[in-house]
Amino acid sequence: EAEVAQSPRYKITEKSQAVAFWCDPISGHATLYWYRQILGQGPELLVQFQDESVVDDSQLPKDRFSAERLKGVDSTLKIQPAELGDSAMYLCASSLKQSQETQYFGPGTRLLVL
Amino acid sequence: GENVEQHPSTLSVQEGDSAVIKCTYSDSASNYFPWYKQELGKGPQLIIDIRSNVGEKKDQRIAVTLNKTAKHFSLHITETQPEDSAVYFCAASIDSARQLTFGSGTQLTVLP
Repeated sequence: EAEVAQSPRYKITEKSQAVAFWCDPISGHATLYWYRQILGQGPELLVQFQDESVVDDSQLPKDRFSAERLKGVDSTLKIQPAELGDSAMYLCASSLKQSQETQYFGPGTRLLVL
Repeated sequence: GENVEQHPSTLSVQEGDSAVIKCTYSDSASNYFPWYKQELGKGPQLIIDIRSNVGEKKDQRIAVTLNKTAKHFSLHITETQPEDSAVYFCAASIDSARQLTFGSGTQLTVLP
């Protein structure tokens, strides 16, 4: 069964450092989402792509976060500089197309900022 | 924007009993309501979903009901098993917004 791949699975960094997370969606899925999940809470959307275009990044802290999906396939989420409050699980999800299609989640990257 | 509230935050049941988790949403334009199961250290996995044109949906031991008038929906798990123990999240989306708004989660523990 096809799955969303994410790497690394765990990342420990010091504050003010740069970190990057990678996501490879299910083959053929045009829509890709990045969510942040703080411990004990539900995921919150950071950014949504349709192919290579950003559809919604209204919740992305653009002063330190950036995301790209250059060829409309895999995607990278970057944080620079990392802050203590960025410690969380970063989840990638994909769906076949926009709007009411099932979102399939990857295993996530757990980030700890010291 | 949409706000989803989920109750209870923790739920313990005896193996074989039923479990019910309830969610309310704020935006009457929401029309898609999935439920996800998240095991420790893993990403959420879709277990069932319902759209606003349907009042109830079942899949073996799992069922979801939707009351559009009251703006609430519920997850029902019958004949619970220890492997059902996990965190369950409800979510809602508005077609035009194209994003899921999640509840805060319910930690379900099935006691053997």
